Amino acid sequence: QITLKESGPTLVKPTQTLTLTCTFSGFSLNTSGVGVGWIRQPPGKALEWLALIYWNDDKRYSPSLKSRLTITKDTSKNQAVLTMTNMDPVDTATYYCAYRGSGAGYFDYWGQGTLVTVSS
Amino acid sequence: DIQMTQSPSSLSASVGDRVTIACRASQSISTYLHWYQQKPGKAPYLLIYAASSLQSGVPSRFSGSGSGTDFTLTISSLQPEDFATYYCQQSYTTPITFGQGTRLEIK
Repeated sequence: QITLKESGPTLVKPTQTLTLTCTFSGFSLNTSGVGVGWIRQPPGKALEWLALIYWNDDKRYSPSLKSRLTITKDTSKNQAVLTMTNMDPVDTATYYCAYRGSGAGYFDYWGQGTLVTVSS
Repeated sequence: DIQMTQSPSSLSASVGDRVTIACRASQSISTYLHWYQQKPGKAPYLLIYAASSLQSGVPSRFSGSGSGTDFTLTISSLQPEDFATYYCQQSYTTPITFGQGTRLEIK
């Protein structure tokens, strides 16, 4: 049974750095083909993909946010971590992590999401 | 980036109706197209992967079709629990992109 859960601050100030942790179970990020992605959703808006890390430590980022994002993994802790620098109120959103299996690039398991508000 | 455009953006329908939602990619993505359902306050839920494969546990009233640039999600007979927002997603290349969503409402 695969589960994921996001954790991190619910409120950050403008210009601060956000660090979100995805703690998962039921799979290993050492397994060939597997990945964990981060997706966000501003209130009332559509889903936006942010970053993806693969089992082999290959990392992909949204081009529009690449300069602000870093994704890492800790396989011993079953975690994937996303950092986003220079937070702005427009970054207020629910942030999800999701499991990407070795299939055709879809996310078949998602965390419950965590709402991050950027405000002074 | 590959742009994903869904139509319509919103749709009103009744229980028992047959509903089709379209998703168009700005370039060919083969069958690297997936559909999600999202209910308010909940995470997206995978319905269809690789354009036409039904995710395990998803009712058979959901189906997907298409390849290249044009795709459809069909719900053959709407049930009360199907009223939600639906998103398509391409994984042909990064950046991964989603459609803007189709909100399915009760008529």
